[in-house]
Amino acid sequence: GQQLNQSPQSMFIQEGEDVSMNCTSSSIFNTWLWYKQDPGEGPVLLIALYKAGELTSNGRLTAQFGTTRKDSFLNISASIPSDVGIYFCAGQRWGETSGSRLTFGEGTQLTVNP
Amino acid sequence: KAGVTQTPRYLIKTRGQQVTLSCSPISGHRSVSWYQQTPGQGLQFLFEYFSETQRNKGNFPGRFSGRQFSNSRSEMNVSTLELGDSALYLCASSSGRMNTEAFFGQGTRLTVV
Repeated sequence: GQQLNQSPQSMFIQEGEDVSMNCTSSSIFNTWLWYKQDPGEGPVLLIALYKAGELTSNGRLTAQFGTTRKDSFLNISASIPSDVGIYFCAGQRWGETSGSRLTFGEGTQLTVNP
Repeated sequence: KAGVTQTPRYLIKTRGQQVTLSCSPISGHRSVSWYQQTPGQGLQFLFEYFSETQRNKGNFPGRFSGRQFSNSRSEMNVSTLELGDSALYLCASSSGRMNTEAFFGQGTRLTVV
């Protein structure tokens, strides 16, 4: 099925560093969501974006909805060990037939070295 | 407010058997979507139910089916299990309206042997 192009696939950083990851698509989405998943658990919603150009923060996390509606990025500032996990972007193209269906990126595996 | 509840958390089944997974959405949410997560394919959309009707369906064989009850709880069923059906099955709860968040349960880990 269709996937979003998410990069990088993995990141190894030192505690305290900033992190940036992004997703791109050939199609327009009207909602972008960012999730974090720990091993064996379900994805946890971090940030939701609804308007092109929108910039939203949640603590040390900042995400933006690209102006073309085909991309989004997530920044994590001053990383800490508990930031370790897999981060997923998801796009939604809401419509009467597509409903709430989400299309996911491949994920970014983040490792933080203390 | 309770979150999304999926049961069971773990299942081991034999090839050829069938399995039923359950999902209780957040109170007030009318949409339940199901996703399959595997290392090779990532998160793939199975189907969405809204107000007891299937609103959208992904590209999976007919062995995968679902339903939704009047209290919005949903079940998905997989018949004639294959080894490749081993995966983490996730359900997502949302209001079903435009521009709203989707919240996931912890998932059901299905292993087919």
